[in-house]
Amino acid sequence: ETGVTQTPRHLVMGMTNKKSLKCEQHLGHNAMYWYKQSAKKPLELMFVYNFKEQTENNSVPSRFSPECPNSSHLFLHLHTLQPEDSALYLCASSQGLRDEQFFGPGTRLTVL
Amino acid sequence: GDSVTQMEGPVTLSEEAFLTINCTYTATGYPSLFWYVQYPGEGLQLLLKATKADDKGSNKGFEATYRKETTSFHLEKGSVQVSDSAVYFCALNTNAGKSTFGDGTTLTVKP
Repeated sequence: ETGVTQTPRHLVMGMTNKKSLKCEQHLGHNAMYWYKQSAKKPLELMFVYNFKEQTENNSVPSRFSPECPNSSHLFLHLHTLQPEDSALYLCASSQGLRDEQFFGPGTRLTVL
Repeated sequence: GDSVTQMEGPVTLSEEAFLTINCTYTATGYPSLFWYVQYPGEGLQLLLKATKADDKGSNKGFEATYRKETTSFHLEKGSVQVSDSAVYFCALNTNAGKSTFGDGTTLTVKP
């Protein structure tokens, strides 16, 4: 595997379910990011981790819970989501915080 | 706070036409500037970047110059192809890791 991978690519869940999104980067980068991309809305930065430490939480509701066990892996734990949380969730990584970001293909999430 | 404003789309051009997508920004300090491209069903890919004033980023025939005096980073290409059809995002990064993206501009190139 090369670059940034995300699993699953598609996820359908009910509002009472608990699920997790996984992101893995094979680039040796130090920073990782979660973004939300909705139709007709700009790309929204959710969380930033640098050397496994969270450096940014962009006022994200607590039903989204990130986890970064090491610099190569990033998870987004989901529970009691709302239909308006349906979107494409993109993971990215970068060498440093000022550097270009490398994006995964995204997880298309649908909340019923 | 930081912000990025880019030209609203959609933009439709004929093949071999000249492309300009405007981007202006507001940020404290001296951010790095980027253009990303997103093809259908994929994540964003870096197209080009500039890290300081007067730098010119270029890739695949696309160019953009970091203009501090006008706080702009306009994307240009002299002759577009059908394969350039995609969504283009202007973005900035600060030292604190705060990434800000524009709303995206959809480009359609017709044969």
